[in-house]
Amino acid sequence: EVQLVESGGGLVQPGGSLRLSCAASGFTFSTYWMHWVRQAPGKGLVWVSRIKSDGSSTAYADSVKGRFTISRDNAKNTLYLQMNSLRVEDTAVYYCARDPDICTGGSCYSNFDYWGQGTLVTVSS
Amino acid sequence: DIQMTQSPSSLSAFVGDRVTITCRASQNIRNYFNWYQQKPGKAPKVLIYAASSLQSGVPSRFSGSGSGTDFTLTINSLQPEDSARYYCQQSYKTPYTFGQGTELEIK
Repeated sequence: EVQLVESGGGLVQPGGSLRLSCAASGFTFSTYWMHWVRQAPGKGLVWVSRIKSDGSSTAYADSVKGRFTISRDNAKNTLYLQMNSLRVEDTAVYYCARDPDICTGGSCYSNFDYWGQGTLVTVSS
Repeated sequence: DIQMTQSPSSLSAFVGDRVTITCRASQNIRNYFNWYQQKPGKAPKVLIYAASSLQSGVPSRFSGSGSGTDFTLTINSLQPEDSARYYCQQSYKTPYTFGQGTELEIK
């Protein structure tokens, strides 16, 4: 059974740092692209970051670029999100999600087929 | 960034009805497009990927269509468990933007 379990959320002051983790099991983690998606309380979904299966390529939303770093340890089946210089507007539930990157007809399609339960990050003084 | 605009923002329908939710992209995204369902307090669940491919395990009453800039999610024979918020998303290029969501209420 595929499982993604996030941890590391909590209350932090503006300007502070947190590191989120996402422990993966039930699939070959090292062969999948992975993403972070966040959702502020009562708001919609916002894509945050993506990392290639081998960790060689990353991408970020403009709102977090330069402050957040996505990484992974394929030996530990774990995805990370290092969040620095946190702002009040970073308050959200953070989800990790698996991307099966389905290839057909010469094209490869990203979607998020498994998600964790989410971890709440609250940035407040 | 590619903007995704969903309509309507909310709708209400009866069990057994057919409902349609639309999403428009601000530029041509071919068929790099997905639909998700989210219930309160839960993580989203993918329903449709690549604009029209039904995710494994998703009931066949859900279907997706469209290409380019205009996309549609259709739910046939609405069921009580379909009450949820629905999001569209483009996966053409990062940042992978979502629509603002459509709240579906079952009367």
